[in-house]
Amino acid sequence: DTGVSQNPRHKITKRGQNVTFRCDPISEHNRLYWYRQTLGQGPEFLTYFQNEAQLEKSRLLSDRFSAERPKGSFSTLEIQRTEQGDSAMYLCASSPGTFSGNTIYFGEGSWLTVV
Amino acid sequence: TQLLEQSPQFLSIQEGENLTVYCNSSSVFSSLQWYRQEPGEGPVLLVTVVTGGEVKKLKRLTFQFGDARKDSSLHITAAQPGDTGLYLCAGISSGSARQLTFGSGTQLTVLP
Repeated sequence: DTGVSQNPRHKITKRGQNVTFRCDPISEHNRLYWYRQTLGQGPEFLTYFQNEAQLEKSRLLSDRFSAERPKGSFSTLEIQRTEQGDSAMYLCASSPGTFSGNTIYFGEGSWLTVV
Repeated sequence: TQLLEQSPQFLSIQEGENLTVYCNSSSVFSSLQWYRQEPGEGPVLLVTVVTGGEVKKLKRLTFQFGDARKDSSLHITAAQPGDTGLYLCAGISSGSARQLTFGSGTQLTVLP
């Protein structure tokens, strides 16, 4: 399968713990995005990379959140000192270029439950 | 903040019926996309509409972009149980070509 791969698919953690999610985009896609989706809502943009450069961050991305894409390939999203409000599905997506003329492909998401 | 409102939020219909889902905004988008999302999976792109007034058809699905590029609709003819899912519209603004603004979605259930 050459789609966007995310792991772990599910994570249950205690409040205050740190969690890290990994995303492997489609090979040679230079753009990578992170979104967050809660039940009953559409995905909300968190951040965007072009190659290894993080070019945009949403105000939703508090200081407890950090995303990296060190070699321009896979990306990690770390949440420190998790809170119950962080419970959501974290979606990764990639595309070869701009949206116009290029499809964005989403992974299956990583579900986070903070108890 | 650009907002996309979808209606209805929930829709449950019988197989064979027709339905329309609406996506409205006060903002202008350079293009708009429709996605379908099934439980436990990420959204999958159905269509992109770019030109005001544009109509695109995908088998039994018809997508329309409003003349002013602020609204869109998705019409499904003769719905099938396989059409069940969360339908999301997403706008792309000319100011930022790097992020999608999603609507809250319409959860469609087609009963056999």
